[in-house]
Amino acid sequence: NAGVTQTPKFQVLKTGQSMTLQCAQDMNHNSMYWYRQDPGMGLRLIYYSASEGTTDKGEVPNGYNVSRLNKREFSLRLESAAPSQTSVYFCASRAPSAEETQYFGPGTRLLVL
Amino acid sequence: SQQGEEDPQALSIQEGENATMNCSYKTSINNLQWYRQNSGRGLVHLILIRSNEREKHSGRLRVTLDTSKKSSSLLITASRAADTASYFCATNSGGSNYKLTFGKGTLLTVNP
Repeated sequence: NAGVTQTPKFQVLKTGQSMTLQCAQDMNHNSMYWYRQDPGMGLRLIYYSASEGTTDKGEVPNGYNVSRLNKREFSLRLESAAPSQTSVYFCASRAPSAEETQYFGPGTRLLVL
Repeated sequence: SQQGEEDPQALSIQEGENATMNCSYKTSINNLQWYRQNSGRGLVHLILIRSNEREKHSGRLRVTLDTSKKSSSLLITASRAADTASYFCATNSGGSNYKLTFGKGTLLTVNP
């Protein structure tokens, strides 16, 4: 059981380039989430997917798109990266029951030059 | 916007001492959760306390919740060097999507 996995672990982009951050979970969870974490800040929700086939905006969705490819996978896309998107990105998932805790991946460090 | 605000921002103690971190929040909640983040890693859930609970224990962890003051505290007893990490409170305000709103965290350093 790998839990929540994220790829890549680290990425450097130039301003204007695009990339997709991948997230997968093998716990049969319905809900998945994307957060960003900036220095001295907590996590801020970018997008979430309550179940396969649905996605919704979180607190800071501008500049991002998401795809819930299937129940396991939830990807985050930056169409035209900006330096303000330099951050650590975390994916999380939540069990299908009424369990209210989230399980986090190890994170992707993104540097936009 | 941040819901929870932890206090202090940083805390340094000696091994064996107790560590207390506080969290204040702004709106009514369904539950409050504490997570730990080791340097360079993802967050790990520690404990959840519901709005109708006042105190909860898990091993060396003790969490209290005062909904009238909109505040919570996390006590780690008999701290160890391995407890060195950032600790975040996260609030859930209800709704079917179980969204969490995180505070900025407390960096705890436990010196051997």
